[in-house]
Amino acid sequence: GAVVSQHPSWVICKSGTSVKIECRSLDFQATTMFWYRQFPKQSLMLMATSNEGSKATYEQGVEKDKFLINHASLTLSTLTVTSAHPEDSSFYICSASAWDRVSPLHFGNGTRLTVT
Amino acid sequence: EDKVVQSPLSLVVHEGDTVTLNCSYEVTNFRSLLWYKQEKKAPTFLFMLTSSGIEKKSGRLSSILDKKELFSILNITATQTGDSAVYLCAAFQETSGSRLTFGEGTQLTVNP
Repeated sequence: GAVVSQHPSWVICKSGTSVKIECRSLDFQATTMFWYRQFPKQSLMLMATSNEGSKATYEQGVEKDKFLINHASLTLSTLTVTSAHPEDSSFYICSASAWDRVSPLHFGNGTRLTVT
Repeated sequence: EDKVVQSPLSLVVHEGDTVTLNCSYEVTNFRSLLWYKQEKKAPTFLFMLTSSGIEKKSGRLSSILDKKELFSILNITATQTGDSAVYLCAAFQETSGSRLTFGEGTQLTVNP
């Protein structure tokens, strides 16, 4: 079945540094990729939607200069958390879709980011 | 404002019980309603519902969508401890760009 690979699964970084998270669709072409963050015991909050070859659409309240999203190919999207702060510590999950499939949306395993 | 509301937020049952989880939505440009199960990591896909009144089944799980009343239910029969998880529903919207809006989730705990 369709698989989405997300890397790394966990990362610890110091305040002020940048962290890049990769999301790859392994056996299908993902025309759209979504990036979410999830705080403990809360639901997934959409951060941005990226379509291959175009700029990401950010949700209200999400700083586009802080959370850089690149969707350069149909199988890869990246999220870079720039100048990370402890409040950026969270669980980040990507999902990918190719809406011509029966089960359209699959998630990566998530990245646990801890900023010290 | 687009919103997806799930109820109950938390549910504790005994093995063998049947549970019904609710999801109502008010979103623009609605296309589909999706159900996911989330344990410790990322959500796993359960169902996608696009047409009203057509039940989808997978083992002990089933789900149906009512596009007139804007809600969906997820049924789990003969629950097992392995069903303990957060169940998320999400409304897929198709506008100038795709969008998926999640509900808060229902925390289901199945006790032996």
